[in-house]
Amino acid sequence: QSAVTQTPSASGTPGQRVTLSCSGSTSNIGSNTVNWYQQFPGTAPRLLIYANDQRPSGVPDRFSGSKSDTSASLAISGLQSEDEADYFCLTWDDSLNGWVFGGGTKLTVL
Amino acid sequence: QVQLRESGPGLVKPSETLSLTCAVSGDSIKNYYWSWIRQPPGKGLEWIASFSYSGSTTYNPSLKSRVTMSGDTSKNLLSLEVTSVTAADTAVYYCATEVSAGRLDYWGQGVLVAVSS
Repeated sequence: QSAVTQTPSASGTPGQRVTLSCSGSTSNIGSNTVNWYQQFPGTAPRLLIYANDQRPSGVPDRFSGSKSDTSASLAISGLQSEDEADYFCLTWDDSLNGWVFGGGTKLTVL
Repeated sequence: QVQLRESGPGLVKPSETLSLTCAVSGDSIKNYYWSWIRQPPGKGLEWIASFSYSGSTTYNPSLKSRVTMSGDTSKNLLSLEVTSVTAADTAVYYCATEVSAGRLDYWGQGVLVAVSS
C-alpha cells in the first residue's frame, strides 16, 4: 500500500473541470513539493506539473496544480477526450529517503 | 537534453538474476541523481533505487535486500540488478533522472521484463 493515496478512478465530460487528489503525510507531501505525471498506455510518464503548481513548457494552462498541508490536487479544466489517461503524483518521502508515487488515477472522458 | 534508453533480457526465469542497463546521452552520469522505477502491468509506479556519482545510493526498503544499482562513468551507463526474481518482479522498468531538483524530469521509454519459466 502506497504512502501516498489517489482515488483510483475519475471521470468527466468534455468541457468540464475535474480535480484529482493526492493525499500523503508530513514525511512526504507535508515536507516536499509534489509533481504530477500523465501516462498513456504503453508510454513513459510525462511531467505535467512540478513544484506543486508549475507547468513545464508545452503543457497547456488547462492543467493546474496546488498543495495544502499533506494533500495536493491536479485540476484539469476544459476537459478534452485526449486527456483520458492515468495520472500519478510523485513526491519525496523523508522517512523512506526515496521517491514515493501515488497509486494513480485513471481518468475517463465520457 | 538528457536522453535515457533502457535495455534488458525481456524474459527471466524465476529465482534468477535480472540485469538491466540504462544508456545515458546528452550529459554525464557524474551529474544529477539517477533512479530506477518499475511498473507492473496494469499497476502503478514503484521507486526502486536512486544513485549519485558522489557516492550515495538509496534503495526502496521493500526491495533493498535484492537490488543493486550502479553506474559506469566510462560508458555513461547505469545498471540495475535484481536477484531471486519472482513473477511479482514482472514489470516495465524505467530509468529517470532529476536534472532539476525535486522532480524526475527525464525518463527512458522503459523496458518490459517478464519473469516466467
